[in-house]
Amino acid sequence: QQQVKQSPQSLIVQKGGISIINCAYENTAFDYFPWYQQFPGKGPALLIAIRPDVSEKKEGRFTISFNKSAKQFSLHIMDSQPGDSATYFCAASLKTGANNLFFGTGTRLTVIP
Amino acid sequence: GAVVSQHPSWVICKSGTSVKIECRSLDFQATTMFWYRQFPKQSLMLMATSNEGSKATYEQGVEKDKFLINHASLTLSTLTVTSAHPEDSSFYICSAKGWLDEQYFGPGTRLTVT
Repeated sequence: QQQVKQSPQSLIVQKGGISIINCAYENTAFDYFPWYQQFPGKGPALLIAIRPDVSEKKEGRFTISFNKSAKQFSLHIMDSQPGDSATYFCAASLKTGANNLFFGTGTRLTVIP
Repeated sequence: GAVVSQHPSWVICKSGTSVKIECRSLDFQATTMFWYRQFPKQSLMLMATSNEGSKATYEQGVEKDKFLINHASLTLSTLTVTSAHPEDSSFYICSAKGWLDEQYFGPGTRLTVT
């Protein structure tokens, strides 16, 4: 059972455009929602994260939008660049316990020049 | 962000032998370390969670006698794949978490069993 659902599976965006990746969850006990960027053959790198008490967080060209009532959150990459081409994973973790991350299935982003 | 290293970055071993992978948090103390396995073009699959000085907690379906995890200190965890077989070939990634929420990943280890 996938705890965090991610879409789309793949995304092609023109350079300078906005890339949008969406995630949805069911467990209301999740309270930490990070996004990771992974290049082929490398480990995931933490991009940006949000907690449910805010609706938006922005760091540079990356913005997380969070809708608590809809149990959805999304990553927006503004002014997308070819160097942003990678696989992006959303994740969620619980307040209690080991705090292990429940990952989405990933989105392969390709930014074309 | 914090830095997590893994060694080796890739390893080839013969079927039946054991392989040890090290994971280190270089600039912070990791209260919890996680081990993942990732197949090509797939998401990360959590194998086990370990806290310093205590036994690892394995996810359902992961053989604890095959994948031995030791979290000897707040900066080091090791994963030993015992009696490796070709089906154990995969990309193994560790992550480390300190006192805050952030979880940082190592660069991964590519294991090929021939």
